[in-house]
Amino acid sequence: QSALTQPASVSGSPGQSITIPCTGTNDDIGYNNYVSWYQQHPPKAPKLMIYDVNNRPSGVSSRFSGSKSGRTASLTISGLQAEDEADYYCIAFTSSTTWVFGGGTKLTVL
Amino acid sequence: QLQLQESGPGLVRPSATLSLTCTVSSGSITSSTSFWGWIRQPPGKGLEWIASIYYSGATYYNPSLRRRVSISVDRTKNQFSLKLSSVTAADTATYYCASPGAAADAFDVWGQGTLVTVSS
Repeated sequence: QSALTQPASVSGSPGQSITIPCTGTNDDIGYNNYVSWYQQHPPKAPKLMIYDVNNRPSGVSSRFSGSKSGRTASLTISGLQAEDEADYYCIAFTSSTTWVFGGGTKLTVL
Repeated sequence: QLQLQESGPGLVRPSATLSLTCTVSSGSITSSTSFWGWIRQPPGKGLEWIASIYYSGATYYNPSLRRRVSISVDRTKNQFSLKLSSVTAADTATYYCASPGAAADAFDVWGQGTLVTVSS
């Protein structure tokens, strides 16, 4: 299985909105709605930000939202804050009953 | 609240078998809604899913690691484990155990991670 495709980096200014795309295939992102997003501030463990495409766990800011269209899922962060600067990973459940991560995107808040 | 903690040697010799254990606390490993998994992250690189085991006992592995990896559950100890054989320097990584928590279909709860270095 191949990793999902994410841009290596994105950036935005405080207060702006950014979107991180995650592109896969009909066997992963296009297969079902088990797509999640994680935030990681190295060297800490990843933190779940979005699950099942567009659901936020309790305690996650409403500035984070998710969506999916076909084989591409997206994470949008609105009202960027300095604390949002981190690495972001998407992950999808596949038709082979496995999981596949994206390569990760480094978000820089300018 | 469910908590996970990895344990195991921090240094493994090349060609040996890496063995890690994840201890589950404040929850039962026999929960019918759960699956358990291992994920790793080489230094400075991205996340890689390794394996998952479900309440039913079904196991699933990353195709690129399938020939070398095994995941199992010890219900008596409320633990699950990972074994990775024939390790090389490429297996040097921080290894995380993870599981769904409130989010039933995602890795919601993570251990703190344990760095395993493969070196002679």
